[in-house]
Amino acid sequence: QSALTQPRAVSGSPGQSITISCTGTSRDVGGYEYVSWYQQHPGKAPKLMIYDVTQRPSGVPDRFSGSKSGNTASLTISGLQADDEADYYCCSYGGRYTFDVFGTGTKVSVL
Amino acid sequence: QVQLVQSGAEVKKPGASVKVSCKASGYTFTNYGITWVRQAPGQGLEWMGWISGYSGNPNYAQSLQGRVTMTTDTSTTTAYMELRSLRSDDTAVYYCARREESGSKFDYWGQGTLVSVSS
Repeated sequence: QSALTQPRAVSGSPGQSITISCTGTSRDVGGYEYVSWYQQHPGKAPKLMIYDVTQRPSGVPDRFSGSKSGNTASLTISGLQADDEADYYCCSYGGRYTFDVFGTGTKVSVL
Repeated sequence: QVQLVQSGAEVKKPGASVKVSCKASGYTFTNYGITWVRQAPGQGLEWMGWISGYSGNPNYAQSLQGRVTMTTDTSTTTAYMELRSLRSDDTAVYYCARREESGSKFDYWGQGTLVSVSS
């Protein structure tokens, strides 16, 4: 199972909005409503930010939102803040034989 | 509160095996699965597999088939991941995370266990 494709890096200024894409296939991203997003700061465990494409766990700011169109899912961060600087990974369910697959990861920089 | 606490760092020689534990607390263990994810130095997240807390059935990434075994002990609410025939490229931080029985949602994570493989 190949990793989902994400841009290597995305940057923005404080207060701006950025969007990170996550491209898969009809066998994973496009086939199920099970895309999740994780934020990882250096030396820390990943943190769930979005699940089931659009759902936010309690405690995650509403500045983070998720969407999907076809085989591509997206994470949008609005009102960018310094603490948003981190690595972000998408993950999709890929069926009962593949199960889960991560994206390649995107480094978000706040300029 | 939900917690996953992993065992400590390990140093192994090539060809050896390692077994990492993940002690769960704060929820009904059999209502969720445990997924294992690793991250090599400077690299991204790699899904290794998951085990159902309900049935105990494991599912492994194809790339690790034959070298990895995931188990659970419901009496101690602990999950285990054993990796055999270690190579230098198995050097990574290994994470366990709680997984719902359906869907890719890993909502609580362990602190990570560094496994170093070196001769």
